Amino acid sequence: DAKTTQPNSMESNEEEPVHLPCNHSTISGTDYIHWYRQLPSQGPEYVIHGLTSNVNNRMASLAIAEDRKSSTLILHRATLRDAAVYYCILRAALNNDMRFGAGTRLTVKP
Amino acid sequence: DTEVTQTPKHLVMGMTNKKSLKCEQHMGHRAMYWYKQKAKKPPELMFVYSYEKLSINESVPSRFSPECPNSSLLNLHLHALQPEDSALYLCASSQGGWGISSYNEQFFGPGTRLTVL
Repeated sequence: DAKTTQPNSMESNEEEPVHLPCNHSTISGTDYIHWYRQLPSQGPEYVIHGLTSNVNNRMASLAIAEDRKSSTLILHRATLRDAAVYYCILRAALNNDMRFGAGTRLTVKP
Repeated sequence: DTEVTQTPKHLVMGMTNKKSLKCEQHMGHRAMYWYKQKAKKPPELMFVYSYEKLSINESVPSRFSPECPNSSLLNLHLHALQPEDSALYLCASSQGGWGISSYNEQFFGPGTRLTVL
C-alpha cells in the first residue's frame, strides 16, 4: 500500500493561513489523494480530495505537486474550530480502500 | 439526512460478556465500514460491507463478528473481548460499493467508546 508522511504536529495563529504538507512518494497513477480531519471526541470528517489538479471547496484548498509525490492542504484562515488531527490518505481508484496514516495534529492559537 | 448514528456512545463490558454495537445510515449508501481507533492513533480498518455482503475482513479476531442485516444497518457483535480491545469503534458509510471507482467520500459516525474490564 502506498504510504503518506506528515509532520506530527503544527501550530498556527487564528485567522492566518495554514499549509499542511503530505509526502506520498510511492503514489500510483490511479490513487486519489484524500484529506480528512478529526476534531476532538468526534469521528473523522471529509475535507477534500483530488487526483492531479488543484482543488478548492468551501473548507480548504488542495495543492498537488506536478509529479504527485506530495500535496498540501491549505486552510485559508484558521479558526479555533479547525484545531484537529488532519489525515492525508491515498485511496485506490478501484475501491474505497483508505488507510489512515499518523496524521498532523494542528493547534490553533488565539 | 447526512448522518451516521452509532449506539451506544459508551460501553463497559467484562471479558465474558456479549454485547453489540449498532450503526445506522439513511443516505442510501451501499458500503459500510467498521474501524478501530486506539488513543492517539489513527483509525484502523476492520471490516467492509458492500451491498450487504462482507467484502473485506482485515484479519480481525473472531471475537468480533460483523453483521449487515440490511442496507441501512451495520452491527458489530462482541464476545469474550480482551482489555486490549478497549478503543473507539467508528462506523462509516460511502455512496458507492466496494470496487466501484467513483466519488466515495466516507461519512463517519461519532463512535462507540468501548472499555473492556
